[in-house]
Amino acid sequence: SAVISQKPSRDICQRGTSLTIQCQVDSQVTMMFWYRQQPGQSLTLIATANQGSEATYESGFVIDKFPISRPNLTFSTLTVSNMSPEDSSIYLCSVVSADRVEDTIYFGEGSWLTVV
Amino acid sequence: AQSVTQLDSHVSVSEGTPVLLRCNYSSSYSPSLFWYVQHPNKGLQLLLKYTSAATLVKGINGFEAEFKKSETSFHLTKPSAHMSDAAEYFCVVSDAGNMLTFGGGTRLMVKP
Repeated sequence: SAVISQKPSRDICQRGTSLTIQCQVDSQVTMMFWYRQQPGQSLTLIATANQGSEATYESGFVIDKFPISRPNLTFSTLTVSNMSPEDSSIYLCSVVSADRVEDTIYFGEGSWLTVV
Repeated sequence: AQSVTQLDSHVSVSEGTPVLLRCNYSSSYSPSLFWYVQHPNKGLQLLLKYTSAATLVKGINGFEAEFKKSETSFHLTKPSAHMSDAAEYFCVVSDAGNMLTFGGGTRLMVKP
């Protein structure tokens, strides 16, 4: 199993600033992902966080806006840069853990960002 | 490419009556399919998952879903709704790379 801790859980940010969200897992995991959930919307994959190399971004997301780091198998950060009100969302970290029988996907509680 | 369509954005039922939340998917691979629930101001909770074993999957809180390959469907059901079931439900498909594609969500409302 895997327990995920995301920080911050909530924040109110000023337009034009940047915020870094941390995702810490209590065990080594094979894969880590970052998702966004805009108000009233479903979840959309931002990128796959790759250990020791550049993240793999989905269409519509770019590294300059959402830089991601993953220095080891248990930790990743997502930065939301130069924020605007449209970036107000829940940002969720997800991991894949190789449990005994099969891979299992876990989600963090999310980081709820409001940009004013 | 994979995609998920949740056929109803809102479903309203009375307490004690059956729940049906519909989901259709498309996938190039033999998919893994999931249902997640999100209560207001809460994180995601896994209800159940299908990973090519039994086609009828039982989950938590009395929910179950049936994988029908011929219909590319994975509908979620519960025999008797409870007030605490009111939430947003997401049908999700995963390819071999474990990246998840979420449906648009269905908001379940339960009337007393």
